[in-house]
Amino acid sequence: DAKTTQPPSMDCAEGRAANLPCNHSTISGNEYVYWYRQIHSQGPQYIIHGLKNNETNEMASLIITEDRKSSTLILPHATLRDTAVYYCIVRVTNSGYALNFGKGTSLLVTP
Amino acid sequence: EAGVAQSPRYKIIEKRQSVAFWCNPISGHATLYWYQQILGQGPKLLIQFQNNGVVDDSQLPKDRFSAERLKGVDSTLKIQPAKLEDSAVYLCASSPLQGLAGVRAKNIQYFGAGTRLSVL
Repeated sequence: DAKTTQPPSMDCAEGRAANLPCNHSTISGNEYVYWYRQIHSQGPQYIIHGLKNNETNEMASLIITEDRKSSTLILPHATLRDTAVYYCIVRVTNSGYALNFGKGTSLLVTP
Repeated sequence: EAGVAQSPRYKIIEKRQSVAFWCNPISGHATLYWYQQILGQGPKLLIQFQNNGVVDDSQLPKDRFSAERLKGVDSTLKIQPAKLEDSAVYLCASSPLQGLAGVRAKNIQYFGAGTRLSVL
């Protein structure tokens, strides 16, 4: 799986959009970008994934650059409950193997 | 649907003692993973099962760690004897059977809340 680079921490005001970047410059053509998050004292939770088109679901939006070397996870209206560590993971979608977590980005949403 | 169940939630033991963790995956999920998460780091795979067979145990310290998944459902992870550096959160995850086109397209793993182990 391709390696990813994320900032170690970010802050966001409640109600504002949180934009979490991820660099994956060595991504291969068959690798997807997955995002998980881990709220304190809980296990990681799947958020969203995509290949090359932008994706949106009830939790977030995923913007992938045209060259696929970077992406941004967008939480449109951050709440205090969105405070968590966010992990960007690149992997082949039909791989059943384990997720390769890095250290992720610790997002703090403030009142 | 019910999520991945793990027990106990917390465990405190002294070094050289033994400990076991239990995981009940989501019903029908063929693949089960055990991860170790040390404070400040992301989870790291210890072992992966497909049904009751081991797919990957390359990072499992086999001199002290063991895991089994009898009947391809529940799983237990054991540490014997424990060391101070085993203090961590042990996470269990499950995912649906590989090869199902629609499900494979998502390849999502579902995690339990974990067991926090403190070795004194």
